[in-house]
Amino acid sequence: QKEVEQNSGPLSVPEGAIASLNCTYSDRGSQSFFWYRQYSGKSPELIMSIYSNGDKEDGRFTAQLNKASQYVSLLIRDSQPSDSATYLCAVRPPGTASKLTFGTGTRLQVTL
Amino acid sequence: GAVVSQHPSRVICKSGTSVKIECRSLDFQATTMFWYRQFPKQSLMLMATSNEGSKATYEQGVEKDKFLINHASLTLSTLTVTSAHPEDSSFYICSAREGQSNSPLHFGNGTRLTVT
Repeated sequence: QKEVEQNSGPLSVPEGAIASLNCTYSDRGSQSFFWYRQYSGKSPELIMSIYSNGDKEDGRFTAQLNKASQYVSLLIRDSQPSDSATYLCAVRPPGTASKLTFGTGTRLQVTL
Repeated sequence: GAVVSQHPSRVICKSGTSVKIECRSLDFQATTMFWYRQFPKQSLMLMATSNEGSKATYEQGVEKDKFLINHASLTLSTLTVTSAHPEDSSFYICSAREGQSNSPLHFGNGTRLTVT
């Protein structure tokens, strides 16, 4: 079982719709969770961080964390073509200082 | 926000030569930096943790003699790919953390290495 799992996609949503990206992780003791966006040929950029169960909203983005079920999700409202990218879920397992374990990413395509 | 600068952004070298990549934290001090490698259509794989003033910690399977890491100051870490071969061609990305251990990582812009 991979430590961090994501559906590779592509996930295709029409412009203006809600995109829902999901991620599961294996280490139940993980405490820190992050979503990064990566455009082709570029390095990842931080979108959201979440540490507690529940929802965290920032503009059009909402991160959701459920530690009991070991999943974290990212919702993108009013999706725009510029949101088309690969979204990486990253988890910090316990006892690993600052190291992050990344999922393979979900490619999102927002269509006109 | 925190800025991490990486240089060069792209390098092409011949097989057998060495390449140095620099990673700088521009507006914060980073006692720890991380070097990742990403092959096409794959996720980021941690290569090593760079520790200021001490030896780097390498992940399993990463050759420390091939990927030399130096973290001589609180704002600079370097990765040298020695005796590069075509299979070393990849996207190398450094990252650093600002603040507490649960803070997110900020990434440099990456270095696209092509070994011919």
